[in-house]
Amino acid sequence: EDKVVQSPLSLVVHEGDTVTLNCSYEVTNFRSLLWYKQEKKAPTFLFMLTSSGIEKKSGRLSSILDKKEPFSILNITATQTGDSAIYLCAVEAIGANNLFFGTGTRLTVIP
Amino acid sequence: NAGVTQTPKFQVLKTGQSMTLQCAQDMNHEYMSWYRQDPGMGLRLIHYSVGAGITDQGEVPNGYNVSRSTTEDFPLRLLSAAPSQTSVYFCASSPGLAGPSSYEQYFGPGTRLTVT
Repeated sequence: EDKVVQSPLSLVVHEGDTVTLNCSYEVTNFRSLLWYKQEKKAPTFLFMLTSSGIEKKSGRLSSILDKKEPFSILNITATQTGDSAIYLCAVEAIGANNLFFGTGTRLTVIP
Repeated sequence: NAGVTQTPKFQVLKTGQSMTLQCAQDMNHEYMSWYRQDPGMGLRLIHYSVGAGITDQGEVPNGYNVSRSTTEDFPLRLLSAAPSQTSVYFCASSPGLAGPSSYEQYFGPGTRLTVT
């Protein structure tokens, strides 16, 4: 059965800290892995990663996928209170037509 | 563009009642889906559609029906509400035909449903 596991479940850091969120997965015929940020309402898309191993970056956020292990990490440097959110990882399998989501990591950044 | 819209934002039902959660998108996306989000469970796929007239079951379809008569609309029907269906429901769409992550998925604002 396909499975996505995120760790830690929750994390509290101070502004300016760097955090690393983890997502490991077991998926038959892996196609891609996606990261989403969920604040008060709907998830918003951050990155999509494939087995090419190319790191994706957007400002202070970056993510990379290790297909061999397999897992992905999401790094946030110089955290700000606006980074407080639930970060969701989802995986798609070829031909599956749907995404498998992890339970998310709740990040709280305190001033 | 309004993106993905959902109505209502909140709803309280009694056990056994039926209702329809509405979802519409104005981006001409082929792929639409319904998820439920429960504490500690992440997002779980209920039903999805790869185009008008085509729907399929996701991970947790029992107790829900869907139809896709137009590209824009994808309503979710609760046939006989149960307390286990208390959850936050999200509708999502994406333009890709080859799967939901061909392009990024756009989520609606969610409907918080409580069944007593």
